[in-house]
Amino acid sequence: DAGVTQSPTHLIKTRGQHVTLRCSPISGHKSVSWYQQVLGQGPQFIFQYYEKEERGRGNFPDRFSARQFPNYSSELNVNALLLGDSALYLCASSLDLGGNTIYFGEGSWLTVV
Amino acid sequence: AQSVTQLDSQVPVFEEAPVELRCNYSSSVSVYLFWYVQYPNQGLQLLLKYLSGSTLVKGINGFEAEFNKSQTSFHLRKPSVHISDTAEYFCAAHLVTGGFKTIFGAGTRLFVKA
Repeated sequence: DAGVTQSPTHLIKTRGQHVTLRCSPISGHKSVSWYQQVLGQGPQFIFQYYEKEERGRGNFPDRFSARQFPNYSSELNVNALLLGDSALYLCASSLDLGGNTIYFGEGSWLTVV
Repeated sequence: AQSVTQLDSQVPVFEEAPVELRCNYSSSVSVYLFWYVQYPNQGLQLLLKYLSGSTLVKGINGFEAEFNKSQTSFHLRKPSVHISDTAEYFCAAHLVTGGFKTIFGAGTRLFVKA
């Protein structure tokens, strides 16, 4: 079975633009989480979705939004990009909300110039 | 507030020597505890996890960790490291209730020298 897949792997955007990052969870997994990892730091929790509903939110501004589709894939949207949004964005999937096993994708590298 | 603290930002060690990477957590709710490894330009790979039961957990690549509830610690150990263990290691706590989120430490860079 395929693992967690994310797209695109790398992208460059200009300040003020919008970006959409995509994630496909492992088959059978119903929960998807998003994390931001700035260079040299640990991942910071952004959102968790389960059964298409938001079930957890980290301390990120409203410029960050996400959704989960009926097939359990997910999108992370960031509006009005700032230089500080440059980071590795990681998606993780798990069977449920319990979080006893979380699998991460390889991430999407976003550079804002 | 919940937090995870990794006490060492960098740990240099010689090949075949033992190593311990330290992690303390703070939480008012039950948590699951994890250690992840991240190689350069890659995502996170699960090394091991503590959910309940035996406080000594064994993971992949010869790593093990011990959960100590009284000291709120979850230190990672390996009796003999290899050059290939050079990577960034992250300790994480998943909140079982009240928000469903995973909190990561800042990471420990393990550098294995020949």
